[in-house]
Amino acid sequence: EAQLEQPGAEVKEPGESLRISCEGSGYSFSSYWINWARQMPGKGLEWMGRIDPSDSYINYSPSFQGHVTISIDKSIRTAYLQWSSLKASDTGVYYCARHVGSRGYGMDVWGQGTTVIVSS
Amino acid sequence: AIQMTQSPSSLSASVGDRVTITCRASQGIGNDLGWYQQKPGKVPTLLIYAASSLQSGVPSRFSGSGSGTDFTLTISSLQPEDFATYFCLQDYSFPFTFGQGTKLEIK
Repeated sequence: EAQLEQPGAEVKEPGESLRISCEGSGYSFSSYWINWARQMPGKGLEWMGRIDPSDSYINYSPSFQGHVTISIDKSIRTAYLQWSSLKASDTGVYYCARHVGSRGYGMDVWGQGTTVIVSS
Repeated sequence: AIQMTQSPSSLSASVGDRVTITCRASQGIGNDLGWYQQKPGKVPTLLIYAASSLQSGVPSRFSGSGSGTDFTLTISSLQPEDFATYFCLQDYSFPFTFGQGTKLEIK
C-alpha cells in the first residue's frame, strides 16, 4: 500500500527555521511527483509547489516562492519543505501528496499532515 | 494563474438528496480537474480525477462531469458519511489551484 509519512506537529517561534519531511513507501518513489499544500486554520487548501523525484525539478506557487524551499533525497525516499525564517502567519497544516505526473490524474495519496504552530 | 471559482460555498441538504457542486475555471483546462472530499480533522481524499473518472474505492453515487471551464460534482443520494467539505483542483498547468471549497451540512 502506498503511503506518505509526515511528522505530526512542530512548534516554533517566529524567526526560527524549520524543515518538515514526507517519506514515501509502498510504491515507486521516482514515478510520482510530491506536492505540498497548506491549510490554514478553518480555511481551504492552497497548493504550494511540487517536485519531480526523477529529476528534482521544482515548480512553486508564486504565493510561496521565495518563502519556502522544496527539496528531495531520493536515497531515503523523502521530500522536504523548509523555511529559513518562520512567521506567525505560517501556522497551519501542511500536507504532502503524490501526483502521477500526468495532467488530470490528481493527487491520490496524501500524508497525514504536519501541524506547524509558530508562536512566541 | 488559473482561478477556480467553486459554488456554493456552503450547502444544507438531507440524507437521500441529490446534490450538485460546481467549479468554474478562469480559462480552459480540458478535463484536468479533480474533486476531493475532506472531513473535519481528516486528510483530503481523491474522489474524481480527469473530471469524470471515479477513483478506485469511491462509491458510485459520486460522479463528475464537464470540460473546458465548467465542471460539476454530483452526489446522487446523500449518505450520512458524505457530509464534509469538497474541493476541486485543476492540474492542467502550474501553479495548480484549488477551489475555495463547499461545506456540505446536514439540513
